[in-house]
Amino acid sequence: DTGVSQDPRHKITKRGQNVTFRCDPISEHNRLYWYRQTLGQGPEFLTYFQNEAQLEKSRLLSDRFSAERPKGSFSTLEIQRTEQGDSAMYLCASSPRTSVGTQYFGPGTRLLVL
Amino acid sequence: GENVEQHPSTLSVQEGDSAVIKCTYSDSASNYFPWYKQELGKRPQLIIDIRSNVGEKKDQRIAVTLNKTAKHFSLHITETQPEDSAVYFCAASVHAGGTSYGKLTFGQGTILTVHP
Repeated sequence: DTGVSQDPRHKITKRGQNVTFRCDPISEHNRLYWYRQTLGQGPEFLTYFQNEAQLEKSRLLSDRFSAERPKGSFSTLEIQRTEQGDSAMYLCASSPRTSVGTQYFGPGTRLLVL
Repeated sequence: GENVEQHPSTLSVQEGDSAVIKCTYSDSASNYFPWYKQELGKRPQLIIDIRSNVGEKKDQRIAVTLNKTAKHFSLHITETQPEDSAVYFCAASVHAGGTSYGKLTFGQGTILTVHP
């Protein structure tokens, strides 16, 4: 499968624990986005990388959230001191240099905070 | 910021009928409008998109129309089939430089059910 991949697919954690998700974009896609989707809603933008630079962060992204893309390839999203309100599907998408705007999504990581 | 409204929230049709989903957007700078199909438990899948220099785009049974003046765009599915049943999301973004970087603002989604 040469599409966007995410790991893990599911994560159950207790409130207060830290969690980290990984996204591997389509090869050579220089743009990478993180979104959060709650049940019955459309995805909401969290943050954006162009190569290794994090260029935009949503106001939704509290100080407990941090994202990195150290070598401009895979990205990680960490949530510290998880809260029950963090329970959601976390989606990653990538976009090629040659087709600005066209975003391809990964399967998502479903997080449940107990 | 951008706000995208999508209607209807649910749509039920008989197989073979047409389905139309409508979206409005607020930011006149938006110039890229994709539609995604999401089946239960699966990733959003891009099915068609349109850029603001085009008024209509068609791909087999799927078409999208854009009215920039009224700031609305629509998805049309003809000859619907049961496998078209899914949640459909419209989205809008800006790709004219600046600081928006192409982030997508999504509508609330439409649950389409096609009855055999």
